[in-house]
Amino acid sequence: EPEVTQTPSHQVTQMGQEVILRCVPISNHLYFYWYRQILGQKVEFLVSFYNNEISEKSEIFDDQFSVERPDGSNFTLKIRSTKLEDSAMYFCASGPRTSGNTIYFGEGSWLTVV
Amino acid sequence: QQQVKQSPQSLIVQKGGISIINCAYENTAFDYFPWYQQFPGKGPALLIAIRPDVSEKKEGRFTISFNKSAKQFSLHIMDSQPGDSATYFCAASMDSGAGSYQLTFGKGTKLSVIP
Repeated sequence: EPEVTQTPSHQVTQMGQEVILRCVPISNHLYFYWYRQILGQKVEFLVSFYNNEISEKSEIFDDQFSVERPDGSNFTLKIRSTKLEDSAMYFCASGPRTSGNTIYFGEGSWLTVV
Repeated sequence: QQQVKQSPQSLIVQKGGISIINCAYENTAFDYFPWYQQFPGKGPALLIAIRPDVSEKKEGRFTISFNKSAKQFSLHIMDSQPGDSATYFCAASMDSGAGSYQLTFGKGTKLSVIP
């Protein structure tokens, strides 16, 4: 069964450093998302990406965050200058055009900022 | 108005029993209501979903009941098994018209099924 794959599974970084989280969405999916989950809390929407541009973003997704689809398969989330409060599990998700709302999540990248 | 309220926060059920998790929403523009199952250290996995034009959907031991007038929906797990022990999230989404279907999640219910 096709799945969303994410790398790295875990990254520890120093405060102020740049981090890039990578995702390979399910092929032929057209909608791409990043969500995050702070330990023990609910999953929160960060950004959606469709047709090579950001469709929507939440208040969390400030100027420190950016997304990119550098080629036909990868989808990345960059955090420019990490803060302690960026420590969370980051999930990439993708969805097919035909099913609209249905989206599938990857296993997540656990980011620890120290 | 974008909130989805989920209860209970935690639930302990005996093996073979019925697990019931409830969610409520405010935004009547929501048109898709999925349930996700999450095991520790893993991503949310789509379990079952419903649209507001039906009142119930069943897949195996999992059933969603949907009450459009009350703006509530619930997940029922029949014959609960220890392997069902996980955190369950309800969610809701709508077509924003911007090519996005962002999900708004509830806070989750940690289900423990004891033998």
